[in-house]
Amino acid sequence: GNSVTQMEGPVTLSEEAFLTINCTYTATGYPSLFWYVQYPGEGLQLLLKATKADDKGSNKGFEATYRKETTSFHLEKGSVQVSDSAVYFCALHLYNQGGKLIFGQGTELSVKP
Amino acid sequence: EAQVTQNPRYLITVTGKKLTVTCSQNMNHEYMSWYRQDPGLGLRQIYYSMNVEVTDKGDVPEGYKVSRKEKRNFPLILESPSPNQTSLYFCASSLRRDTGELFFGEGSRLTVL
Repeated sequence: GNSVTQMEGPVTLSEEAFLTINCTYTATGYPSLFWYVQYPGEGLQLLLKATKADDKGSNKGFEATYRKETTSFHLEKGSVQVSDSAVYFCALHLYNQGGKLIFGQGTELSVKP
Repeated sequence: EAQVTQNPRYLITVTGKKLTVTCSQNMNHEYMSWYRQDPGLGLRQIYYSMNVEVTDKGDVPEGYKVSRKEKRNFPLILESPSPNQTSLYFCASSLRRDTGELFFGEGSRLTVL
């Protein structure tokens, strides 16, 4: 079946530290991959996406590269800020599954000053 | 301002008392969907709609109904709520089903006693 697995949280970092949140997927076909972010008390927002192998998505200093050989889409940021504290969701999208996004369980990030 | 609006944002109810969570989007999006978010499980799709009068089940449709009589509205109906439907619910929309770029509402936290 189709699924997404993320590293467990919570992840606690100091400001300006390097961030990696691991995400691996299992999918039939050729999914598009996404990272969504959920700030406290809000809905999810699209952070970045990649639609095919070797594509790199980037936004707000975050990056992720679609690695087909390792079925991974790890999220990275070189220097986190307190304002990056949120829950991050990795997701895959399959057109032939009714447009459904399949989400990982989410990883909570807490950045301390 | 482009947005997805859900109401109510918070609701406490009792087992068996029918309720409706409304969802409205102002972006003329074709695709709308409902998800529930539970700790450790990420988001799971309940129902989706590819256009007016076209709806289909997601992964966890039991105990829920939907309708799509107008393009902008996609209400979620719980005919006889039970405690296992206590959850955080999100409505989302996108221009088409093939993008994976969902716009989410702020969420409706439902407690069924």
